[in-house]
Amino acid sequence: DQQVKQNSPSLRVQEGRISILNCDYTNSMFDYFLWYKKYPAEGPTFLISISSIKDKNEDGRFTVFLNKSAKHLSLHIVPSQPGDSAVYFCAASAGNQFYFGTGTSLTVIP
Amino acid sequence: DTGVSQDPRHKITKRGQNVTFRCDPISEHNRLYWYRQTLGQGPEFLTYFQNEAQLEKSRLLSDRFSAERPKGSFSTLEIQRTEQGDSAMYLCASSANRDRGVGETQYFGPGTRLLVL
Repeated sequence: DQQVKQNSPSLRVQEGRISILNCDYTNSMFDYFLWYKKYPAEGPTFLISISSIKDKNEDGRFTVFLNKSAKHLSLHIVPSQPGDSAVYFCAASAGNQFYFGTGTSLTVIP
Repeated sequence: DTGVSQDPRHKITKRGQNVTFRCDPISEHNRLYWYRQTLGQGPEFLTYFQNEAQLEKSRLLSDRFSAERPKGSFSTLEIQRTEQGDSAMYLCASSANRDRGVGETQYFGPGTRLLVL
């Protein structure tokens, strides 16, 4: 069963605009959430994370929002840049296991 | 570069052959994970080591798969009698102990892409 879901397989955004990537989870025991970025032929690269005790974490152009009641998190990228074009995975953990979504392919159009 | 490294980056083998992959984690990281990723999917957990001890194994890890981490440093993942369904990207990740109040962040290697013909 897919405990972490990314329902949008792709997203196209104009350069300079905001990109919003969404992720839903089912397991209320998850207490740590991460976003990874992946380019073709490379492993995922850590981007930003958030603990369940917070509802927002910001790092430069990247902000992650967590809504525990809705079991939903989102990644905002603003302003979007062409170099942000990649596949983005959200992940959630409880204990030692990490569960990944299926990814959203972001294309930022110059 | 002190990131996670994996070798080889690509492997093509015939069905029935054995293959072995190596992962060298970030040197100060005591936790090491193996994942498998197929097209259109996110990484799927296979197994996890803390130092040299293999603490968890996924049901995805059939008896044809074995992983080791002697001396708690590098790790190897062996697949015996490979099948076409084993074709995937095999990713290794490492992390440090989870601090109270701070989550554990895994850092991934570039992966080994396996193709079983």
